[in-house]
Amino acid sequence: EMQLVESGGGLVPPGRSLRLSCVASGFTFDDYAVHWVRRAPGKGLEWVSGISWNSGDIRYADSVKGRFTISRDNAQNSLFLQMNSLRAEDTALYYCTKDKDSFLSGASYGGFDYWGQGALVTVSS
Amino acid sequence: DIVMTQSPDSLAVSLGERATINCKSSQSVLYSSNNKNYLTWYQQKPGQPPKLLIYWTSTRESGVPDRFNGSGSGTDFSLTISSLQAEDVAVYYCQQYSTNPPRYTFGQGTKLEIK
Repeated sequence: EMQLVESGGGLVPPGRSLRLSCVASGFTFDDYAVHWVRRAPGKGLEWVSGISWNSGDIRYADSVKGRFTISRDNAQNSLFLQMNSLRAEDTALYYCTKDKDSFLSGASYGGFDYWGQGALVTVSS
Repeated sequence: DIVMTQSPDSLAVSLGERATINCKSSQSVLYSSNNKNYLTWYQQKPGQPPKLLIYWTSTRESGVPDRFNGSGSGTDFSLTISSLQAEDVAVYYCQQYSTNPPRYTFGQGTKLEIK
């Protein structure tokens, strides 16, 4: 069974850092691109960042560019999100999600087919 | 930046009736090199992560009931549930994908309830 399990969420004051992790199982992790998507309280889904199968292509939403860093360790079937200079508006449930494709710029994009349960990040003093 | 606008924001439909959710993109989501519209639909039930329902506008994900149908082209798309079931109560999101640079933009969501 395919699984994605996030960890590392918590309550942090504005300006501080947090690192999210996501461990994958049940599929060949290094065959696929993976992403972080968040849902703020009372809001809709927002794509945050994505990374291709071999880390050769990395993209960020404008709202987090320069503050967040995505990375992956295929040997450990793991995805990470380093979040620096956190703001109140970063408060959200952060989901790790698997792409159907290996690449971020591929013509085969067919959506995000597996999702974790999410890690809650609260930025507040 | 592409903006995805869903309508309505919320919808109440009787069991067994048809439900239609619309999604409009501020730019075409047609990828000319392969004539695919990169429009995806997700379902999110309370307390659960989103679930992929439909991709490439109208291709149902494996295991998704055939009462869920997607249609449209260019900038205007729809998700139709032909006969609403109680388990379909959820928030539905459309999402577009653009290739250069890669961007994944969601609509604001449509909350579907039973009348």
